[in-house]
Amino acid sequence: DAGVIQSPRHEVTEMGQEVTLRCKPISGHNSLFWYRQTMMRGLELLIYFNNNVPIDDSGMPEDRFSAKMPNASFSTLKIQPSEPRDSAVYFCASSWTSGNEQFFGPGTRLTVL
Amino acid sequence: GQQVMQIPQYQHVQEGEDFTTYCNSSTTLSNIQWYKQRPGGHPVFLIQLVKSGEVKKQKRLTFQFGEAKKNSSLHITATQTTDVGTYFCAGPGSARQLTFGSGTQLTVLP
Repeated sequence: DAGVIQSPRHEVTEMGQEVTLRCKPISGHNSLFWYRQTMMRGLELLIYFNNNVPIDDSGMPEDRFSAKMPNASFSTLKIQPSEPRDSAVYFCASSWTSGNEQFFGPGTRLTVL
Repeated sequence: GQQVMQIPQYQHVQEGEDFTTYCNSSTTLSNIQWYKQRPGGHPVFLIQLVKSGEVKKQKRLTFQFGEAKKNSSLHITATQTTDVGTYFCAGPGSARQLTFGSGTQLTVLP
């Protein structure tokens, strides 16, 4: 298995632009998680899905952030409009079920100028 | 809500010295997991502890789960430069997601 796949690996954009991050979880995993990591705030859970259904989105910073999981093999995290304070590494992770060990993707390093 | 605290935040050791990081939860945990993140990398699962007082070893790494299942520790014996990275503990939250600690960043000086 290729593991969790994220794209793009790096994204540089200007303030106000829309950013879409993509994730393909490990096949057969039922839970998918989006995290944001910064030096100041550490590793923060943004949202997680169970069987493609959003279960907890309390970590989503504000309405500019949205996440979807249209099927078991694909999820997106969208930021619209982006702001410089959104600059961070965004990780996607998946697991067999929530609470089990999580497998992280390589992350997307986002820079908003 | 649940909080998972880790200390220390940073630790510098000379190669060959031992290292310990501690994890404390505000609530009783059904299990605790440990992850390692190398610089520039992503968190990688190391181990899960489930039983009260459980101790598990992986080569030079010793993991312990407290009797009250509210704290845990990771001890590395005779650190090597390959041990460099940030070590996170994580416990199940109220909605069965994982709550990660703030991590301990380990630097090993050659």
